[in-house]
Amino acid sequence: AQKITQTQPGMFVQEKEAVTLDCTYDTSDPSYGLFWYKQPSSGEMIFLIYQGSYDQQNATEGRYSLNFQKARKSANLVISASQLGDSAMYFCATTPNKLIFGTGTRLQVFP
Amino acid sequence: EPEVTQTPSHQVTQMGQEVILRCVPISNHLYFYWYRQILGQKVEFLVSFYNNEISEKSEIFDDQFSVERPDGSNFTLKIRSTKLEDSAMYFCASSEVQGFYGYTFGSGTRLTVV
Repeated sequence: AQKITQTQPGMFVQEKEAVTLDCTYDTSDPSYGLFWYKQPSSGEMIFLIYQGSYDQQNATEGRYSLNFQKARKSANLVISASQLGDSAMYFCATTPNKLIFGTGTRLQVFP
Repeated sequence: EPEVTQTPSHQVTQMGQEVILRCVPISNHLYFYWYRQILGQKVEFLVSFYNNEISEKSEIFDDQFSVERPDGSNFTLKIRSTKLEDSAMYFCASSEVQGFYGYTFGSGTRLTVV
């Protein structure tokens, strides 16, 4: 069965700085996906970025990049140039079928 | 951009009552899911649905829960006899394929059982 571990319950970062949110995963499936979602205080789940297990390059989407280290089973999210609007819960998730989520990291961006 | 629509956004119900949460998945998606998030906790998988039947369910999805696709567009979650501990945010999601890019979530239904 898949498992996601997010060891940082909370993180603080100053506006315009970069921040890394940690995620490790465990799966026995050879083919899987890794996802990051943002959940602001309003509650919706916003898709940020996806990495496939066979992708050779790290995924990037604007200010978001995923630092994928397959041998270490880690899929850290890097947010560059943090903005106040980035303050939210961030969830890492994995497939191969249903999404399984970690416990999340609450990111707070301060001026 | 296509989106998953959930109604209602908030529902308050008395303990023991039946509730139906409704979802309209993205039209060309084939896989449908329900997730639950108790306040302040992680998002938990409830059930996945494909080809008009349940493909997988979690331990949480016991006999008080059921899902249905009554027509070509709606996907519903029914809770037969609500308990206080059913109070949570319920998310519907859909995907075109499984395992890869493209899981889209609705904005959720906040269920409060009193």
